[in-house]
Amino acid sequence: QKEVEQDPGPLSVPEGAIVSLNCTYSNSAFQYFMWYRQYSRKGPELLMYTYSSGNKEDGRFTAQVDKSSKYISLFIRDSQPSDSATYLCAMNRGSQGNLIFGKGTKLSVKP
Amino acid sequence: GAGVSQSPRYKVAKRGQDVALRCDPISGHVSLFWYQQALGQGPEFLTYFQNEAQLDKSGLPSDRFFAERPEGSVSTLKIQRTQQEDSAVYLCASSRSGTSGPYEQYFGPGTRLTVT
Repeated sequence: QKEVEQDPGPLSVPEGAIVSLNCTYSNSAFQYFMWYRQYSRKGPELLMYTYSSGNKEDGRFTAQVDKSSKYISLFIRDSQPSDSATYLCAMNRGSQGNLIFGKGTKLSVKP
Repeated sequence: GAGVSQSPRYKVAKRGQDVALRCDPISGHVSLFWYQQALGQGPEFLTYFQNEAQLDKSGLPSDRFFAERPEGSVSTLKIQRTQQEDSAVYLCASSRSGTSGPYEQYFGPGTRLTVT
């Protein structure tokens, strides 16, 4: 079993929909949680960065962390065709710097 | 300011050739990471530098892989005697701090290596 599990999709939604992306993890030592967006043939772009359980909002994006369930989510409100990309969750233990990534979920937002 | 840059963006190598991939991190960033991303997968950690010190190389898949960051800025990932299974995108990321946080990592565009 991988340390971080993420449904690869693909996920297709109409423009304006609310999108929910999720990851589960097995290692309770993870403290820092990130969401990256990756367009085709580009590097991952940092979207959200959170520490500890709770919600963090930035514009149309909300990141949620539930450490008791080892479950993290990213919500995208009023989705746009430009949101079409692969979304990667990532996490680390803090003092150990390398990130552990999920497989990525491919999202397509149809106009 | 400028982000992380990588060169070349694309590299085709014949099996058995040596390749060198370059990463220029964000100016002043202490930490530098190399990751390997296979098609349809998330990036996987290869190695980590804090300034010029290589603190973790546990992800390097074989002794054909070697990385250096001699002056604590630019880094080079070298792959000797390339094999077909080395075909992947090699990503470099940098982070402002060392072990005391914050831990946001910023990625370059990657080098797509194809071994024929």
